[in-house]
Amino acid sequence: QVQLQESGPGLVKPSGTLSLTCAVSGGSISSSNWWSWVRQPPGKGLEWIGEIYHSGSTNYNPSLKSRVTISVDKSKNQFSLKLSSVTAADTAVYYCARDQGYCSGGSCWDWFDPWGQGTLVTVSS
Amino acid sequence: SSELTQDPAVSVALGQTVRITCQGDSLRSYYASWYQQKPGQAPVLVIYGKNNRPSGIPDRFSGSSSGNTASLTITGAQAEDEADYYCNSRDSSGNHLGVFGGGTKLTVL
Repeated sequence: QVQLQESGPGLVKPSGTLSLTCAVSGGSISSSNWWSWVRQPPGKGLEWIGEIYHSGSTNYNPSLKSRVTISVDKSKNQFSLKLSSVTAADTAVYYCARDQGYCSGGSCWDWFDPWGQGTLVTVSS
Repeated sequence: SSELTQDPAVSVALGQTVRITCQGDSLRSYYASWYQQKPGQAPVLVIYGKNNRPSGIPDRFSGSSSGNTASLTITGAQAEDEADYYCNSRDSSGNHLGVFGGGTKLTVL
């Protein structure tokens, strides 16, 4: 089955750029799914960051859109997150997840499954 | 602020039934998905679509939807169900943007 694994630096300096990669195994990133990033600040809830399709189409959370770039590397079967101009408020556990969707009878739904294990990124000097 | 609203905390006696709700305008056209998260762990999908359970999720978990409200029901709550629960859907803008509810902390007494 599909498995996801995040990787990247666990510490980023303020005003720097956070960079993470999510490796996809057990399936192709070119399948008919979106691939998403979600984060969770310590002690807080989940926040959707954005998503990418294998074609390169992206959707971003409006609150982060000016600082976020999500890209895909089909040759490596992985996708990546870059978040620029980070502050302490960006300290969080970052998760990648596969987003599957379906529409029927005028209604749609999607779901995140599986998820990566998550990686803690701390923004500090 | 979240476009999906959840009660911050709910409690249930062991073996009883509990309903966790999620409200938002987008739920009139998008079904919610539900995630269980235990401390230090990644979220786990428990319900998606009309009322679909992934393999391995006990049948005491069920989902429903009416108007702008989605519900996750646990029938016969067990101690291991104590966790945070999050709903997710698309936002109401029509731009295919994702949104999570603020989460509900479920305590099993």
